[in-house]
Amino acid sequence: QSVLTQPPSVSAAPGQKVIISCSGSTSNIGNNYISWYQQLPGTAPKLLIYENNKRPPGIPDRFSGSKSGTSATLGITGLQTGDEADYYCGTWDSSLGDWVFGGGTKLTV
Amino acid sequence: VQLVQTGGGLIQPGGSLRLSCAVSGVSVSNNYMSWVRQAPGKGLEWVSVIDSGGRTYHTDSVKGRFTISRDNSRNTLSLQMNSLRAEDTAVYYCARIIAPRLDIWREFDYWGQGTLVTVSS
Repeated sequence: QSVLTQPPSVSAAPGQKVIISCSGSTSNIGNNYISWYQQLPGTAPKLLIYENNKRPPGIPDRFSGSKSGTSATLGITGLQTGDEADYYCGTWDSSLGDWVFGGGTKLTV
Repeated sequence: VQLVQTGGGLIQPGGSLRLSCAVSGVSVSNNYMSWVRQAPGKGLEWVSVIDSGGRTYHTDSVKGRFTISRDNSRNTLSLQMNSLRAEDTAVYYCARIIAPRLDIWREFDYWGQGTLVTVSS
């Protein structure tokens, strides 16, 4: 059981918008930066969002991140079939003194 | 920045294996570097980390069995895995960690392509 809770799966139609949630506590999301990772089938994870809402170079602005209290969300607009992937949130947990990943969310477009 | 992994394969329980990660574009000596694994059909789990000062960290399940190291002259990262168990079966990724403050990791920004380790008789 992961310290960070994500829905196992979400789905939406092409062109639509989807929100993926990541729920934690004050010791992790509440007091540390959250990052999001996209893992396309059969490939390595890729950093999608860092510092809650920043995109690395090359990541389209269709992807956005936000954080409120002890929860964070990843938003994807203008969904494409190429966005089908597993998405993971991650953050530092100050109580555990450890890094934690969410269990991952499978996006179906 | 590129991280290119070698090593991995099929190994019997109790055996040893060494993974390597050749890094270009950044210096392993100045960065936090890590190994992250993903068991078949499962999520991500950090395994081992070496920080810029050379201190090492291992997740509890591999303590005493796995050793992370780096070769600054060759700019490579390694993971020596001993006493392997079936539950170590996973794809292993090397990755750089951004850690702006001591002992707080912020994100994993660059990843290797992954290498499969299968522990089975």
